[in-house]
Amino acid sequence: RKEVEQDPGPFNVPEGATVAFNCTYSNSASQSFFWYRQDCRKEPKLLMSVYSSGNEDGRFTAQLNRASQYISLLIRDSKLSDSATYLCVVNREGSYIPTFGRGTSLIVHP
Amino acid sequence: DVKVTQSSRYLVKRTGEKVFLECVQDMDHENMFWYRQDPGLGLRLIYFSYDVKMKEKGDIPEGYSVSREKKERFSLILESASTNQTSMYLCASGTATQYFGPGTRLTVL
Repeated sequence: RKEVEQDPGPFNVPEGATVAFNCTYSNSASQSFFWYRQDCRKEPKLLMSVYSSGNEDGRFTAQLNRASQYISLLIRDSKLSDSATYLCVVNREGSYIPTFGRGTSLIVHP
Repeated sequence: DVKVTQSSRYLVKRTGEKVFLECVQDMDHENMFWYRQDPGLGLRLIYFSYDVKMKEKGDIPEGYSVSREKKERFSLILESASTNQTSMYLCASGTATQYFGPGTRLTVL
């Protein structure tokens, strides 16, 4: 099993749709989880951290399920500008060393 | 705002050349990282550094070395470039979260 797995997509959704991505991780002792966004030909940028109790930032909601070892990202009311690749990141146990998923591509169309 | 800069956006080198990629951060971060990103393979960690003169191998260190002589600067060195090192190279700094430079697209002919 890969350390961090994501469905590569692409997820093709109309504007205004709600879309959700999941990411599974293999190390049950991992403590830190994040979602990054990467636009085409740009560097990754932090979208949001993922907290145990779940957290929301505007239209974005992140959740952690430790029992099943996955994190999720929900995007409500999708905008054209949300089109990007979303990278799931899990820091290795007891360290700041991240393991990146291969990313999920989202395309929002008019 | 954290700023991470990389010395070149695009670089073309020939097989066997020695290649230096430089990265500078302005936020006094102790941790710095070098990745390569390839289609279908995602971001893979080459080397990282916790402090000046300190370096640790990442997941794919073969064919690379690094140098950290000053806290703000972390260099990636390809001792003898090969065509399979053609890739996008990304530098990052930070602690729990990472701040990335714009990347260097290296082509080895």
